[in-house]
Amino acid sequence: QQQVKQSPQSLIVQKGGISIINCAYENTAFDYFPWYQQFPGKGPALLIAIRPDVSEKKEGRFTISFNKSAKQFSLHIMDSQPGDSATYFCAASKRTPLVFGKGTRLSVIA
Amino acid sequence: DVKVTQSSRYLVKRTGEKVFLECVQDMDHENMFWYRQDPGLGLRLIYFSYDVKMKEKGDIPEGYSVSREKKERFSLILESASTNQTSMYLCASRAGGSGGDTQYFGPGTRLTVL
Repeated sequence: QQQVKQSPQSLIVQKGGISIINCAYENTAFDYFPWYQQFPGKGPALLIAIRPDVSEKKEGRFTISFNKSAKQFSLHIMDSQPGDSATYFCAASKRTPLVFGKGTRLSVIA
Repeated sequence: DVKVTQSSRYLVKRTGEKVFLECVQDMDHENMFWYRQDPGLGLRLIYFSYDVKMKEKGDIPEGYSVSREKKERFSLILESASTNQTSMYLCASRAGGSGGDTQYFGPGTRLTVL
């Protein structure tokens, strides 16, 4: 019930393409769904987050799509750039410690 | 900006040693967390604390203990380090009550146990 399943494990995208990372959760009590971005040698940093009262949230090139009935949410990175190459983690919580997915290593190649 | 600092970026210890990892946050956050990060396993919660002198076990507490004597400081202790505790350790903090859900992470400590 506490798991968050993330896919794919790794992703290679051409510069300018769209990167899509998917997550699924089991606990319907979760009400906060963030995505974290981690560069090598750094701690994870919050990228964007959504609550289940909306189906989509956009911040610049980054969009979260949320499907409450399917218990799934995804991160879309539009116009992917080499600087977006990093590991991305989805997570979920309800005023508890975040439960993280296992991460997706994104490589954007020119 | 919230700042979470960890005492060491890299640490090398021998099997059986007692190891202290220190974490300090400067935003008066009530909640603090210790995770370990391993390739393919993501971030796994070791311990967390909602208040001074309070602690709760996470998903993988075995072999670890914690101490929170002051609000800004949360220490992770490996009583007798073992090679399977070689990992990246990440500390995080979060405001309490209605202060927000964002967890802020430190830069991590890469611990190698020989």
